[in-house]
Parts: sequence; C-alpha cells; structure tokens
Amino acid sequence: AQTVTQSQPEMSVQEAETVTLSCTYDTSESDYYLFWYKQPPSRQMILVIRQEAYKQQNATENRFSVNFQKAAKSFSLKISDSQLGDAAMYFCAYRSSYEYGNKLVFGAGTILRVKS
Amino acid sequence: SQTIHQWPATLVQPVGSPLSLECTVEGTSNPNLYWYRQAAGRGLQLLFYSVGIGQISSEVPQNLSASRPQDRQFILSSKKLLLSDSGFYLCAWSVRSPGANTEAFFGQGTRLTVV
Repeated sequence: AQTVTQSQPEMSVQEAETVTLSCTYDTSESDYYLFWYKQPPSRQMILVIRQEAYKQQNATENRFSVNFQKAAKSFSLKISDSQLGDAAMYFCAYRSSYEYGNKLVFGAGTILRVKS
Repeated sequence: SQTIHQWPATLVQPVGSPLSLECTVEGTSNPNLYWYRQAAGRGLQLLFYSVGIGQISSEVPQNLSASRPQDRQFILSSKKLLLSDSGFYLCAWSVRSPGANTEAFFGQGTRLTVV
C-alpha cells in the first residue's frame, strides 16, 4: 500500500517570504497523481495544485509551485510571496492511476503559520 | 457545475446513540464517493468508498457503516456511538474513470462530538 509522509508538523513564514513544505511518498507504481490540499480554519478542503507523475515539468499555480522528484519520491510545495491567507494546514496526497476507486492517500499534514 | 452537500455541520450526540450523516452530490453522474475522518489536528483517514449504488468498500474496521442508496447519495451510520467516534467527517467525490486527471472534491464537513 502507498504511504505519504509529511515530516514537518508545523512551519512558520514571514509575510512576503517563501516557504517550502516537504512531502515524500512510497509506491511501486510508475503512473500516479500527486496533490496538495489546503485546509484553512473553516476546514474546507481546497485543492492547491496537482502533478501527474508522467509529466516531468513541475506544476505551477500562481504563487504555488512544486518540486517533483520522481526518482526520490519527493513532492514539495513552494509558496512564494506568502500572504496571511495562506495560513492553513496543508496536506499532500497520492492517487494511483491503476487502483480501483481513485482513493486519495493523505499525509498527516503541515500547519503553516504566516507572521505579519 | 458540480456541488457537494454534507449535513449536519455540527452534531453532539451521547454515547450509545445512533448516527446518520448524509452527503449528496449534484451536477455529475456515477461519481466515486468517499467518507474520511479527521481526528483533531491530524490527517485524513479514509473510512469508506463507493464506486456505485450499493457498492461499499470499508478501509478501516470500526463502529461505523456506510450506504449508497442512490447514485449521488452517501450515508455514514452507526447504531451505537462510542467516544472514539468523535471527529471531523468529510464526504468527497471524484470522477469514476481511474485514469482521469482529477482531484477529489470535498464537502464542508461534519464536526461530531460524542459525549
């Protein structure tokens, strides 16, 4: 079974600066999808960014970008120009391309605090 | 556009009482449906998923059960709640095709407190 590990329980960043959240995963599959979700205090799960494993190019969405290292099974999230609204819990998630049910496997999450 | 509704938002129930949480999806057909639980300050644990009416897969043996009586309706139940059932429950859906490049879409969650 696949597992997702987020080794940073909490991170802090100064407003307008850059922060990187780490995620590693374990899988024997070659094709899969990776996601970063944001959960603000409202607890609504919001998709931040996704990456397809067969694409070598790192995904980017405005201030959010990923560093996808397939061989190392690493999928970190970089937030540039951090804003107060970025404060939330961030979850890394894995989804197999083959497995029945399209289930997401989540990491334990990283709480991001943004200081003004 | 697709929407997902989950209710109630908050629930306080005594130990030993029954539970029924409901989730419905609009704007899509034949979705995969999921129930996740999030303990305080922790990650999401998949409880059940369903790929069709009446088809339920359980990921974690526990005091809960799930049912899918209609294509876009997913219900989480318990006959007798335990203190350990307290948590934040999230319903989600995704498209059924295994190769589809799509994420899971989440409801707004139910905060369950068993007292």
